[in-house]
Amino acid sequence: QVQLKETGPGLVQPTQTLSITCTVSGFSLTSYYMQWVRQTPGKGLEWMGFIRSGGSTEYNSEFKSRLSISRDTSKNQVFLKMNSLKTEDTGVYYCARLRCYDYVMDAWGQGASVTVSS
Amino acid sequence: QITLTQQAESLWVSPGEKVSITCRASQSLLYTDGKHYLSWYQQRPGQTTKALIYHASIRTDGVPTRFIGSGSGTEFTLSIEDVQPEDIALYYCLQTLKKPYTFGAGTKLELK
Repeated sequence: QVQLKETGPGLVQPTQTLSITCTVSGFSLTSYYMQWVRQTPGKGLEWMGFIRSGGSTEYNSEFKSRLSISRDTSKNQVFLKMNSLKTEDTGVYYCARLRCYDYVMDAWGQGASVTVSS
Repeated sequence: QITLTQQAESLWVSPGEKVSITCRASQSLLYTDGKHYLSWYQQRPGQTTKALIYHASIRTDGVPTRFIGSGSGTEFTLSIEDVQPEDIALYYCLQTLKKPYTFGAGTKLELK
């Protein structure tokens, strides 16, 4: 059974770094692209970037300078790190699996809610 | 970047009715392989986001046949025939033709 689960800090202070882990089961990270998508009150759903099945990454230029996506295939985990957080980064962060042959995000996690506040 | 416009923020329906949700793209989503890179997703409270339709008109596995995707070029529609209570949700379109991938603002389906 395919499952994705995000775990994150919940509350982060402005200017600090956000770290979220997506733990997957039921499939291999070397067979799919793994995305990070966020949902904020201000901008709705935004694609942040992905890590390809081969391990290379691509980012939305909106986040490029402060976002990093990585993975540990031995632990079936994908990581998001974003620095210089602002209050506008408050929202829900999702990991999602992308089928690279038809570009469908066919499995999503429940999302990690993040509040940026002092 | 490609902008997707879902004109309706909310649509009200009664069970058994048909409803259509539209999504307009700022440029054609047709790729050289002849496929449109437009997909539809459903968000229900307490559930994970679900892919319904891809390539504009192909249902993903297990999606009921009452969900119908149509359209081409820049205009796309998700129709739900014989709406069921469990279809009350948020619906989003997504383009994966060009990066950054972009989503529509979403349409909330509500019960009359």
